[in-house]
Amino acid sequence: YVLTQAPSVSVAPGQTATITCGGDKIGSYNVHWYQQKTGQAPLQVVFDDRHRPSGIPDRFSGLNSGNTATLTISRAEVEDEADYYCQIWYSNHSHAGVVFGGGTTLTVL
Amino acid sequence: EVRLVESGGGLVQPGGSLRLSCGASGFTFSTYSMNWVRQSPGKGLEWISYVSLTSDAIFYADSVRGRFTVSRDNPRNSMYLHMSALRPEDTAVYYCVRDRNTLIRGRSTDFDLWGQGTLVIVSS
Repeated sequence: YVLTQAPSVSVAPGQTATITCGGDKIGSYNVHWYQQKTGQAPLQVVFDDRHRPSGIPDRFSGLNSGNTATLTISRAEVEDEADYYCQIWYSNHSHAGVVFGGGTTLTVL
Repeated sequence: EVRLVESGGGLVQPGGSLRLSCGASGFTFSTYSMNWVRQSPGKGLEWISYVSLTSDAIFYADSVRGRFTVSRDNPRNSMYLHMSALRPEDTAVYYCVRDRNTLIRGRSTDFDLWGQGTLVIVSS
């Protein structure tokens, strides 16, 4: 199972950034999102499509339907610059495991 | 403080072996499933392995199955990754990662706690 993300997205400070994650019928899976800043371990920003862990600003939101899951960052700030990864658990008759998207680098400028 | 700390990384020759350790503190380790995730230099995240609470369910990525073995020792609050037949493409930072969802058993869900990672370099 393949999760497809655009390599890069740019947004001006204060504007809205949209990061997508494509997959076959991804809407039938729970999608999770992680932020990774340079030199740091990843940090979960959304779980189960649209829920935010404690401490994550409400500027981060998620949706998942059809063949696309979306992470939206409203009122983008310079501190939001990072790589973002989507993730699911996938299983079929012959394979089971965690799948990550290739990651999207968000630039805020 | 809730934390995960990896150790055991280093330089190893192709074909060699290495054992990584992950120490957990600040939470009840035995109630969480655990995972290993790696990241090659300049690349994205790659999930490697999952082990359930009592080790009755274990999964591996195709890229490491048959070469890597995950285990855990709940009384010692520790998880391990024994890596053998190492290849240059196994060069990566290896993260110890906690599953968030304690209600779903037998498979991974998503990850709410990551260690700082330990670097493994496979090179002659």
